[in-house]
Amino acid sequence: AQKITQTQPGMFVQEKEAVTLDCTYDTSDPSYGLFWYKQPSSGEMIFLIYQGSYDQQNATEGRYSLNFQKARKSANLVISASQLGDSAMYFCAMREGSGAGTASKLTFGTGTRLQVTL
Amino acid sequence: GAGVSQSPSNKVTEKGKDVELRCDPISGHTALYWYRQSLGQGLEFLIYFQGNSAPDKSGLPSDRFSAERTGGSVSTLTIQRTQQEDSAVYLCASSLAWRKNIQYFGAGTRLSVL
Repeated sequence: AQKITQTQPGMFVQEKEAVTLDCTYDTSDPSYGLFWYKQPSSGEMIFLIYQGSYDQQNATEGRYSLNFQKARKSANLVISASQLGDSAMYFCAMREGSGAGTASKLTFGTGTRLQVTL
Repeated sequence: GAGVSQSPSNKVTEKGKDVELRCDPISGHTALYWYRQSLGQGLEFLIYFQGNSAPDKSGLPSDRFSAERTGGSVSTLTIQRTQQEDSAVYLCASSLAWRKNIQYFGAGTRLSVL
């Protein structure tokens, strides 16, 4: 079974509008971390935002926020006031385990390609 | 620079040749990871190193793949007897392996096996 599911292969949004990119996950580990990365056409993976499984509040970083619904196992990324530079691939990823003091691999979803239009 | 550095950025090789890919992590990061990104398989974990612990090699696809990390810093991923299916972008990341354990990625090495 897939551990990270991103059901939207492609999304379009108009400049200055908000957009939500979906991500659901599957784990039996009570301690985990959820990440969103942006990959522009240049290829580099850019970290955007992190949500820990025990975090009480939804994470926010500037125009990015994470809509974390633990019971539904979803961690959707919300980008507010979209800009042309937001056009890129977006990946949701999960780390199982607390991450504290130990390395742990990330499992990635298949990504969503976001295109921001004028 | 302060980020993860990978070299070369592009590598073209002939089937059957060996290749070495290099990763220089962020200074002070104790953990280093290798991933592969290909059209058919998406982003796959290959191996990670943390401090002096034995590396987690569980993602290496075959015994043609190996990696080492010298002096707790620079890492080299070696692919022996390359095959066409090895063509992919190889991404390196590093992290502090503490608290959020955020992995920061390099720009990758694009490997093309002819």
